[in-house]
This record gives sequence, C-alpha cells and structure tokens, in this order.
Amino acid sequence: QKEVEQNSGPLSVPEGAIASLNCTYSDRGSQSFFWYRQYSGKSPELIMFIYSNGDKEDGRFTAQLNKASQYVSLLIRDSQPSDSATYLCAVNGDRGSTLGRLYFGRGTQLTVWP
Amino acid sequence: NAGVTQTPKFQVLKTGQSMTLQCAQDMNHNSMYWYRQDPGMGLRLIYYSASEGTTDKGEVPNGYNVSRLNKREFSLRLESAAPSQTSVYFCASSSGTGGYEQYFGPGTRLTVT
Repeated sequence: QKEVEQNSGPLSVPEGAIASLNCTYSDRGSQSFFWYRQYSGKSPELIMFIYSNGDKEDGRFTAQLNKASQYVSLLIRDSQPSDSATYLCAVNGDRGSTLGRLYFGRGTQLTVWP
Repeated sequence: NAGVTQTPKFQVLKTGQSMTLQCAQDMNHNSMYWYRQDPGMGLRLIYYSASEGTTDKGEVPNGYNVSRLNKREFSLRLESAAPSQTSVYFCASSSGTGGYEQYFGPGTRLTVT
C-alpha cells in the first residue's frame, strides 16, 4: 500500500506571509514528486515537480525534497488571496508498471486572508 | 492546444443506466488515466493506459470499463450506474517517460439518482 500523507488543514495565513505545506510518502523507491493546486470546482493544476534532493524554486514557489526522510514540502512566499486553494502532493510508483502512476495525498486546504 | 478535454461536463443518470465518458488529449502523450474524486477521499485511480493498446486496473476499477480507442482517446464506461458512482471524474495524460507529470482535463460531474 503506497501512502502519501498530508496535513489536512485547513491552513490559514495572512497575505504576504509564507505558507508551508508538508507531505510524507511511504515508498522509498519513488523518484518523482509533484505539487498540484486545485481551486474549488476545478481540476488539479500542476505547479511544481522535483526529482532531486534539495530545493527547487519557481517564482514564489519552492519545493523541497528530502528522500532520506521521505519528505517533500512546498513553500509559498508572499502568499496572495489568489493562492487560496487545495494543494495536492503526488509521488510516482517505484517500479515497472507503476512507474507512471501517481499516488495522491488527500490535500491541504490553504486560505490566505487579506 | 486544447490539452485534455472531457465530455460531458455534467451528467445525471438514473440507477441502472449506462453511459460513456469521453477523454481526448492533443499533447501526443503515451499514457492516460481516469480518476474519481470524492469529498474527503482524494483522487483515486480507476483505470489507466500506459500506452496505446494497454489498459490496467487502478485502485477502484469495479463497476467501470475502459477503452483506449487510439493514442488520443481514452473512454470510461459505466455499464449499470449506481448511486455510489456519484462523483467527479477526471481524465489525465502524461508523456509516460521521464518525470511522469500528469495533466488533467476539466472533469465530469456525475450524479446517479
């Protein structure tokens, strides 16, 4: 059973603050890690992916990966009300036919208040 | 590029009726996926097709069938709808190599009464 765990939240931060979203996964063989944003009533939208240990920055978003701890996080700097959404963490399968499968956490709901 | 498209956007069925959800992608992706999303349950994989000509069961395949019609199209069929199949259905595609990131369609909201 591959498990991806996220804090269910809700997480509430003021505008301009840093929002920190966390995710742990059970499968040591997973190599690819993804963050999706999902607005209410909409489909998931890919915002970040990371394959190597360390940090990856894209604008206001930073993904952090620590494979030894089986932990991946997403930092949102200078949070805006438009960042209010549910954030889904996903990891890929670790072998053979499951390599292309993604296993999703249940998501963390983020609210950024003005 | 339209990306991933799904039809219909909304559907109401009576118990026992059948229907097919259509999905198409124009990104020349090899792999396609069908998920359902229910409140509190997250995204659950129903079926996937790693490449044209292959399909595999996911986490919750019971009550569903799929067809990979060609590289672009992947359909999901409910043969005899049940209220437990009320959900939002998403289709996704990925290149199937490299990083495996998936891109989602807009979804179909299905209600079975």
